[in-house]
Amino acid sequence: GESVGLHLPTLSVQEGDNSIINCAYSNSASDYFIWYKQESGKGPQFIIDIRSNMDKRQGQRVTVLLNKTVKHLSLQIAATQPGDSAVYFCAETPASGGSYIPTFGRGTSLIVHP
Amino acid sequence: DAGITQSPRHKVTETGTPVTLRCHQTENHRYMYWYRQDPGHGLRLIHYSYGVKDTDKGEVSDGYSVSRSKTEDFLLTLESATSSQTSVYFCAISESTRASTDTQYFGPGTRLTVL
Repeated sequence: GESVGLHLPTLSVQEGDNSIINCAYSNSASDYFIWYKQESGKGPQFIIDIRSNMDKRQGQRVTVLLNKTVKHLSLQIAATQPGDSAVYFCAETPASGGSYIPTFGRGTSLIVHP
Repeated sequence: DAGITQSPRHKVTETGTPVTLRCHQTENHRYMYWYRQDPGHGLRLIHYSYGVKDTDKGEVSDGYSVSRSKTEDFLLTLESATSSQTSVYFCAISESTRASTDTQYFGPGTRLTVL
């Protein structure tokens, strides 16, 4: 997994497997979290978000889980496809402090083998 | 995709020269941001704007200035480029900064190399 602010791990999976990407955030005051996907040479693309009053949120083939007790966020991708190969990173935003500027993690590289 | 374009997409320049990067949006979003992305650091905020002519510094603002004279355009200027400013620069937009109702959408990036 990754921590917001630490080095970039890699996850290799076979096509069709489920993938789980982890993120440990640092600010207990954060109340909004986003997962982004970044393909090589492109800008980050929004995947899914979750607020701190939720534990789970589902999208199309993706699910985000939030565990506030241990400050942990995960992204689950069902039936992973080669097109899912990218760097995935989470962002956390505090509820207070005025600016609401997110802090981004450095990401996890997902490699999907056909 | 959100209507965000960045120009140029690639630039090579020499140390000491001024460089201006442009971000243009067609979404009429109030907030615009400039980030740099470097290996081992992730996205780091340089400057952001919360309205026309309203800007503020991010965590890595030294050596950079910004301007926003129109809602749709946000310019990032390196007054005198240095090799440490070699990076990929991303522009982002959002409707508001109240994070629980807002998401940042990113442009395609500008790869800047300072020799």
